[in-house]
Amino acid sequence: GAVVSQHPSRVICKSGTSVKIECRSLDFQATTMFWYRQFPKQSLMLMATSNEGSKATYEQGVEKDKFLINHASLTLSTLTVTSAHPEDSSFYICSARDWFQPQHFGDGTRLSIL
Amino acid sequence: AQTVTQSQPEMSVQEAETVTLSCTYDTSESDYYLFWYKQPPSRQMILVIRQEAYKQQNATENRFSVNFQKAAKSFSLKISDSQLGDAAMYFCAYRSGRETSGSRLTFGEGTQLTVNP
Repeated sequence: GAVVSQHPSRVICKSGTSVKIECRSLDFQATTMFWYRQFPKQSLMLMATSNEGSKATYEQGVEKDKFLINHASLTLSTLTVTSAHPEDSSFYICSARDWFQPQHFGDGTRLSIL
Repeated sequence: AQTVTQSQPEMSVQEAETVTLSCTYDTSESDYYLFWYKQPPSRQMILVIRQEAYKQQNATENRFSVNFQKAAKSFSLKISDSQLGDAAMYFCAYRSGRETSGSRLTFGEGTQLTVNP
């Protein structure tokens, strides 16, 4: 079945640093990738949708300059949390699909900002 | 805008018994897809089952089946012969059939399922 790899699985860093999270589709070409944020015991909140080679579409209330998304190829999208602060601590999940697949999810990244 | 509602924040079931998780949705579209995802403590999102709105037949995947009531906009998940490994958070999700929607998923709030031995 389709596999989506997300890296790193966990990151702890100091306030003010930038953190990059990678999302790769391993056995299919992802025409669209999605980035979600999830707080404990809550549902997934869509942050942005990215299509290969074009700018990401951000959901209302999501800061574009804070959460930089790059979808440079059909198999890779990255989310960079810039100048991260403790309130950015959360669980971030990516997903990917092509025209034929439902969304398949990465294993998520637990981000902790000290 | 589409909305998905899961009215049961928590459910519990005895091992080997059957449990039904509820989901309702609101949409004005006729072409769409519905999904149930499972999120165990590892927090990996696992697709359990999917249903195309144009199909009248309810989807089934082994011990998992759905009761899709299109007119009532209801999409419940039935888990038969519950196993300890079924314990997880379950999310109902909606996706528009329109390609211009960008294939985004709209999730419900989730139902935490506990399986008692």
